[in-house]
Amino acid sequence: ETGVTQSPTHLIKTRGQQVTLRCSSQSGHNTVSWYQQALGQGPQFIFQYYREEENGRGNFPPRFSGLQFPNYSSELNVNALELDDSALYLCASSLGGSTDNEQFFGPGTRLTVL
Amino acid sequence: GENVEQHPSTLSVQEGDSAVIKCTYSDSASNYFPWYKQELGKRPQLIIDIRSNVGEKKDQRIAVTLNKTAKHFSLHITETQPEDSAVYFCAAKNYGQNFVFGPGTRLSVLP
Repeated sequence: ETGVTQSPTHLIKTRGQQVTLRCSSQSGHNTVSWYQQALGQGPQFIFQYYREEENGRGNFPPRFSGLQFPNYSSELNVNALELDDSALYLCASSLGGSTDNEQFFGPGTRLTVL
Repeated sequence: GENVEQHPSTLSVQEGDSAVIKCTYSDSASNYFPWYKQELGKRPQLIIDIRSNVGEKKDQRIAVTLNKTAKHFSLHITETQPEDSAVYFCAAKNYGQNFVFGPGTRLSVLP
């Protein structure tokens, strides 16, 4: 069984730039959720993708967008980066969309916006 | 929407003592409550979870209790060890909704 992986591990961008983060779900999982974790805080839900469709969204602006591919891997895109976007971005995979199944986190991508 | 509070924010215990972390939630329809452990620079790891049809669950030195009436659930760690030092997050979820996490508790186990 393959665990959740994310790339890149670290990224440095400047204000106004765009970034794409990637996540490969755990083998057998069809759902990917993305979270933003600011320093010293709990993960905040950005959105979830289930079977290639957005399946729920948190309180994040439209410049945060995503995509899920037929193999259930996923991308998070952030446009017009702001300083406050600096955080650890975590993806988590699970099975079954919004059902109450366990979710497993990837190692995260540390994004720094200068 | 759901709101999850977690206390204390920091907790220091002596090795071998017990540690208890408590979370309260606002949505009475929430029915799944996982706990995650996050070591410095690492991913959150699921350590135990409980569903609303159960009042208590144990796994070796770790246990979780749920009080649906009071809308709170607690993590209990017995015989703490230095490797238990980490940040612990609780979360709550209602069917069809997303996970809502608490702000975390930094546990330090002193040798």
